[in-house]
Amino acid sequence: NAGVTQTPKFRVLKTGQSMTLLCAQDMNHEYMYWYRQDPGMGLRLIHYSVGEGTTAKGEVPDGYNVSRLKKQNFLLGLESAAPSQTSVYFCASTRGLAGGADTQYFGPGTRLTVL
Amino acid sequence: AQTVTQSQPEMSVQEAETVTLSCTYDTSESDYYLFWYKQPPSRQMILVIRQEAYKQQNATENRFSVNFQKAAKSFSLKISDSQLGDAAMYFCAYRSAWGTYKYIFGTGTRLKVLA
Repeated sequence: NAGVTQTPKFRVLKTGQSMTLLCAQDMNHEYMYWYRQDPGMGLRLIHYSVGEGTTAKGEVPDGYNVSRLKKQNFLLGLESAAPSQTSVYFCASTRGLAGGADTQYFGPGTRLTVL
Repeated sequence: AQTVTQSQPEMSVQEAETVTLSCTYDTSESDYYLFWYKQPPSRQMILVIRQEAYKQQNATENRFSVNFQKAAKSFSLKISDSQLGDAAMYFCAYRSAWGTYKYIFGTGTRLKVLA
């Protein structure tokens, strides 16, 4: 049981390049989330998904796209990277229990630098 | 919209002493969950403790306990017998019990443990 995994762990991009971050979970969780973490700003929600085939915008969605074609995978895409997207990205998942008595399980994070 | 505020960017504690980290939140909801997460230098997010708003009893996990004051919208974390391994960033988080599936995080408190 690997939990939540993220690929890659580190990446350096040039401005304008594109890339996709992959999040995978093997816990059969319904809900998945993408956050970015910046110094002094905590974790901010980019996009989330409440089930296979669904996605929704979070607090800071601009410049990112997501897809959840399979229940276990949640992809985060940057079509044209900008230096402002330099950050640490975390994926998380939860079972999606009614009433919210859920625990979020986090991946190890991806450090992205955009030059 | 709900907000979570951690007003202490950094705290220090002597090894074996007790420290309290503060968190306040704003919401108009009556049912919700509150969380404290620990993020050590490894970057991995670890759930420390969870509190259900409908429970008056404060949650406790070994050396970690909370002081939940619902009327004051305050949710502080007390760490007793501090250990060097407690040094980390600590994040307070909020989630509604119904409707929305989003977690809202504070900006974090960096805890230093002095030997």
